[in-house]
Amino acid sequence: SAVISQKPSRDICQRGTSLTIQCQVDSQVTMMFWYRQQPGQSLTLIATANQGSEATYESGFVIDKFPISRPNLTFSTLTVSNMSPEDSSIYLCSAISGNTGELFFGEGSRLTVL
Amino acid sequence: AQSVTQPDIHITVSEGASLELRCNYSYGATPYLFWYVQSPGQGLQLLLKYFSGDTLVQGIKGFEAEFKRSQSSFNLRKPSVHWSDAAEYFCAVLRNSGGSNYKLTFGKGTLLTVNP
Repeated sequence: SAVISQKPSRDICQRGTSLTIQCQVDSQVTMMFWYRQQPGQSLTLIATANQGSEATYESGFVIDKFPISRPNLTFSTLTVSNMSPEDSSIYLCSAISGNTGELFFGEGSRLTVL
Repeated sequence: AQSVTQPDIHITVSEGASLELRCNYSYGATPYLFWYVQSPGQGLQLLLKYFSGDTLVQGIKGFEAEFKRSQSSFNLRKPSVHWSDAAEYFCAVLRNSGGSNYKLTFGKGTLLTVNP
């Protein structure tokens, strides 16, 4: 099975700043995704991270707020820009294994914005 | 519109009792269905999945789920619940979003409390 590492695992940030979350997969994957899980809520898909091109964003999410990079098959970053307390959430990276087709999740990055 | 519905927000059962968590989906094509569990402060763990074939699938930790196309359901079951099963459970549908692209849509989750 694929192992997905995210960092930071948690952070406390000031309003108006930006934070970049990194996601590293230890094996070949086909698709990578970023999800947000707000307190007490389910997971909401932010975007699909596309290798070498702009991410595909879901309704309600825009590139200026959540820029995403995916320079190669196994690495992606999500930036939460100009943060406000409403951005306090767990952000999860996930990927579909190129070998098994299974979907795996990182343990998430817990972000608190003061 | 494609969606996943978990009708029960919170379920409480006694340890040793049986459990059934409901999941209904709305999706035009053959769905790929999943159940994930999330313990407090933990990441998501895959319990089981259905892609095709036998409609009764076995997962980890003694869980099973049955796909019923006629009812658009994929309910999760366990014959005897353990205190360590207390967690949030999410049903999810993997759907084709065009070409070779897929997206996983989650239900809102069911919180399971286990009484001693």
